[in-house]
Amino acid sequence: GAVVSQHPSWVICKSGTSVKIECRSLDFQATTMFWYRQFPKQSLMLMATSNEGSKATYEQGVEKDKFLINHASLTLSTLTVTSAHPEDSSFYICSGGSGAYEQYFGPGTRLTVT
Amino acid sequence: QKEVEQDPGPLSVPEGAIVSLNCTYSNSAFQYFMWYRQYSRKGPELLMYTYSSGNKEDGRFTAQVDKSSKYISLFIRDSQPSDSATYLCAPGLDDKIIFGKGTRLHILP
Repeated sequence: GAVVSQHPSWVICKSGTSVKIECRSLDFQATTMFWYRQFPKQSLMLMATSNEGSKATYEQGVEKDKFLINHASLTLSTLTVTSAHPEDSSFYICSGGSGAYEQYFGPGTRLTVT
Repeated sequence: QKEVEQDPGPLSVPEGAIVSLNCTYSNSAFQYFMWYRQYSRKGPELLMYTYSSGNKEDGRFTAQVDKSSKYISLFIRDSQPSDSATYLCAPGLDDKIIFGKGTRLHILP
């Protein structure tokens, strides 16, 4: 149980375009979903926390107008990277659960912006 | 001082050896302590969590927390090649986890 999926697993896009990443909890309802970004050989950095039906809470330094998060249901959250640039290339990981101490991670999405 | 520090490794040990992975943290307010395992290009997988100082054992894994020293350890007994991964320590406070950069572990067959 407690499986989280992400789609796509890898995406390449051109600079200036927008990319949407989906995060789904397959066998449980995630009241809270987290979005992380991980650069090579770096730690996971929390970008934002979202609760179903509410606006996401963004961490300091994360541009909420650039990284749009929608948590429309208890099983689906989306992250849209708007006007992506090469510096946005990273590994984006979502997790879902009932709280930070009980969260299940997705397999991640590798974004490459050319 | 960084909030969570881990030796990045890589740490290479022969199969069957006992592995010791360590982590220090700076915020004495952290309430719970987790260890995650992350295989290359995959999401983290929770291995252990504990709320207090002392030891917690689960199979071949033992997590040890010393709040007075702000020191966290993970021990792996009878290490297997499948244990080769990056291990992330992650102390947490309220609803937020702070991840270390992780220690890369290679178990040599």
